[in-house]
Amino acid sequence: GAVVSQHPSRVICKSGTSVKIECRSLDFQATTMFWYRQFPKQSLMLMATSNEGSKATYEQGVEKDKFLINHASLTLSTLTVTSAHPEDSSFYICSARPSTGGGSPLHFGNGTRLTVT
Amino acid sequence: AQSVTQLDSQVPVFEEAPVELRCNYSSSVSVYLFWYVQYPNQGLQLLLKYLSGSTLVKGINGFEAEFNKSQTSFHLRKPSVHISDTAEYFCAVSNASGGSYIPTFGRGTSLIVHP
Repeated sequence: GAVVSQHPSRVICKSGTSVKIECRSLDFQATTMFWYRQFPKQSLMLMATSNEGSKATYEQGVEKDKFLINHASLTLSTLTVTSAHPEDSSFYICSARPSTGGGSPLHFGNGTRLTVT
Repeated sequence: AQSVTQLDSQVPVFEEAPVELRCNYSSSVSVYLFWYVQYPNQGLQLLLKYLSGSTLVKGINGFEAEFNKSQTSFHLRKPSVHISDTAEYFCAVSNASGGSYIPTFGRGTSLIVHP
C-alpha cells in the first residue's frame, strides 16, 4: 500500500517553455505532499510543501513564481516549472504520507528527470 | 531544529561482506528515525524506521539498524551484502514531539558493492 505515482519520469524541454509534473497518491489521501529537488550525488532539497485546498509553503530561496504548485485534490499535486532554463535541469521527486504524524514515513514517487536545452 | 550527519559519503565493500552505514542526529526533542534507499533514477524507498520500543529495528532486504540515544546514532547494518544492494542510502529524522513533522535528510551514503 501507500503508492505514490509521479509522471513523467523523464522530460526534455526547450529553454523558455513550461513543464508540468504530476504526483498522485494512488491508494491513500494526502492533505500534504512534498516536492524535493535532488542534484547529482547530493541529498534531497525540500522545495515546498503542497497543501490541499490552500497555497503551498515554499522553502527559503525557492522562487514561488517559477515553481508553481497546485494541490487541487486529496490525491493530486502538480509542480509546474515555468519559463524553464538550463539551470532548472534536475531530478524532481514528490512524496506524501497517509497520515500527518512525524512517525508516518514518506512515500516517494519515482522522480522526474528534467533536462532543459 | 534537528540535523542529520552521515559521516561517510561513499562506502565500498565486497560482496558477502558485512557493512555498516553511519548516521548521527542532533535534536533537542525526541525523534523518529528512518533509513531510505534510492536506486539510480528512482525515488526513495523506506528500509526501516524507529518510532519507539526495541532499539534494534529490522527492515527489508536483510537490513537492520540500532537506535542509540546516548550516542544519538542510528547506524544501518547488513551482515552480508549483495551486488544488488549498491545504491544511495539516506538517514532521516523527524520530530516526535509536535511542531513540524517534515523529516530532515542526511546527505546520503553511496554503498558500492564489488564482486
